[in-house]
Amino acid sequence: AQSVTQPDIHITVSEGASLELRCNYSYGATPYLFWYVQSPGQGLQLLLKYFSGDTLVQGIKGFEAEFKRSQSSFNLRKPSVHWSDAAEYFCAVDNRNMLTFGGGTRLMVKP
Amino acid sequence: DTEVTQTPKHLVMGMTNKKSLKCEQHMGHRAMYWYKQKAKKPPELMFVYSYEKLSINESVPSRFSPECPNSSLLNLHLHALQPEDSALYLCASSQAISGAPYEQYFGPGTRLTVT
Repeated sequence: AQSVTQPDIHITVSEGASLELRCNYSYGATPYLFWYVQSPGQGLQLLLKYFSGDTLVQGIKGFEAEFKRSQSSFNLRKPSVHWSDAAEYFCAVDNRNMLTFGGGTRLMVKP
Repeated sequence: DTEVTQTPKHLVMGMTNKKSLKCEQHMGHRAMYWYKQKAKKPPELMFVYSYEKLSINESVPSRFSPECPNSSLLNLHLHALQPEDSALYLCASSQAISGAPYEQYFGPGTRLTVT
């Protein structure tokens, strides 16, 4: 069965520092991958997606992610974090239009 | 416009009450979803509607009853809930259920508290 793992439950970075959130997937075929962000008590907002093609994908709010098949990873990055980026981040893989989510990573930003 | 709306934002209900959650989208999407999310956990899929027909029920108790009156609306009827059903209920929509991948767009959720 396919699965998604986000190894880091919590990450704290200083404002202005770079960020990388890890996501590993287990899927037999070519995966369709997503990153979502959720602010407290809110719904999920799509940051970016990978379906095919260029393995470096750009998203909203200055985020990007790189698909690495050899490492079964789809890590999310941002060069300079803003305080407003503090939130919960979910990686997900598509399975016939159903989403399998990772456990989430809570990002805290220090001033 | 990629907006999914949900009402109400907050709902408090007793275990004997009957209430409904409402979800609406005007993106022309033909797939709609209900998720349940407990604190500090990812969303869990409950139901999927495809072209207004129930496509997937993830073994959800019968006290939750979904309804899709038309292609833009999705309801979740609640009856005789338990305190452990307290959670954030999220609605989502996507273009379709097919072999091609489509992103899901989520509403802001309804925070449900069962007393």
